[in-house]
Amino acid sequence: DQQVKQNSPSLSVQEGRISILNCDYTNSMFDYFLWYKKYPAEGPTFLISISSIKDKNEDGRFTVFLNKSAKHLSLHIVPSQPGDSAVYFCAASEAGANNLFFGTGTRLTVIP
Amino acid sequence: EAGVTQFPSHSVIEKGQTVTLRCDPISGHDNLYWYRRVMGKEIKFLLHFVKESKQDESGMPNNRFLAERTGGTYSTLKVQPAELEDSGVYFCASSQGRVGGAFFGQGTRLTVV
Repeated sequence: DQQVKQNSPSLSVQEGRISILNCDYTNSMFDYFLWYKKYPAEGPTFLISISSIKDKNEDGRFTVFLNKSAKHLSLHIVPSQPGDSAVYFCAASEAGANNLFFGTGTRLTVIP
Repeated sequence: EAGVTQFPSHSVIEKGQTVTLRCDPISGHDNLYWYRRVMGKEIKFLLHFVKESKQDESGMPNNRFLAERTGGTYSTLKVQPAELEDSGVYFCASSQGRVGGAFFGQGTRLTVV
């Protein structure tokens, strides 16, 4: 059973607008959450993370929000750029654990 | 600094054959992980090495998969004999500290026909 879910397989956004990618999880033991970006024929690249003690983390155009009560996190990209077009994976890990649980990914297309 | 390198980038083998995937982690990274993505699905954890020791192999699908990391440097993942459902992209990652800081390789796309 998947513990991290990304229910939107794809998202299209106009350049300059906001992209919002969503992720839900079921395991209340997760304490660290990450977003990875993946281009074709490349491995996932770390983008941004958030600890469960926070509800927001910002890095330039990228902001991750965490709602622990809803077991939901989201990634906001603003403004979106064509180079942001990629597959975005949400991932999570438990405290002290050594493995990541990934979602199925959301393909973001930013239209120039 | 070189990143995580995986070889080969693609492999097509027949059912019943053996395939060995190789991963060279970033120099100095004690932690090495193998993950697999089956077409369109999530990226799933296979196992974790700390240096040459297997810390967690709970994600290994079955005993047809064997991972090694001799000397705590590069790692190999052998599939013997390969089955159709083994097809997918196999990713290797390495990190110094917690898995959240892991760097991924470009992956090996394995196709079993």
